[in-house]
Amino acid sequence: QVQLQESGPGLVKPSQTLSLTCSVSGGSISSGSYYWNWIRQPAGKGLEWIGRIYSSYGTTNYNPSLKSRVTISADTTKNQFSLKLTSVTAADTAVYFCAREAPGFYDSSGLDHWGQGTLITVSS
Amino acid sequence: DVVMTQSPLSLTVTLGQSASISCRSSQRLVYSDGNTYLNWFQQRPGQSPRRLIYKASKRDSGVPDRFSGSGSGTDFTLKISRVEAEDVGVYYCMQGTHWLALTFGGGTKVEIK
Repeated sequence: QVQLQESGPGLVKPSQTLSLTCSVSGGSISSGSYYWNWIRQPAGKGLEWIGRIYSSYGTTNYNPSLKSRVTISADTTKNQFSLKLTSVTAADTAVYFCAREAPGFYDSSGLDHWGQGTLITVSS
Repeated sequence: DVVMTQSPLSLTVTLGQSASISCRSSQRLVYSDGNTYLNWFQQRPGQSPRRLIYKASKRDSGVPDRFSGSGSGTDFTLKISRVEAEDVGVYYCMQGTHWLALTFGGGTKVEIK
């Protein structure tokens, strides 16, 4: 069973860069043609997709509203993928989730496995 | 981007009764391969989202058959039959058809009367 676990600093100062890592166990991020996603959720609000990486080729897709500030990368040797979000403000305060996405040719396509989430607060 | 609009924002249901949640997309969700990539998620308080439905109507393993998804084109519905106390939470639809950017509905909060 695939499991995902987010890790990060908890607190980031305004204008700095938020860095998060998602560690994957129970499967390799470089096999099976899966995509690896980041999603966030401000307190009491809905889910916002940030972006994804296809680690076999390193290809990425980003939410257009965040694209100028986001970089998602993968380290297949550590079976992890990461998120960097630059120039953060209080509006970036949220719980950040990582999730696996099975692409369309899988019968059960979509975001099928999620991490528990990690709260990131942007404050001085 | 494809905009996903859910209604109602919240729903109060009597135990044992049914609940229906609507999700409408700003563009049709049928992909060129004939599939409709519409997921439904349940998020219980303090938990991460759990997928219930994929491809608009297919139930995930372990999901009670009280949950059913239906719809096509731009209009979709999640129905919860015989609501139980454990069904309390927020429900989200999400489209993956326009796959360059996944988009979620705003969520529907389900409470028990």
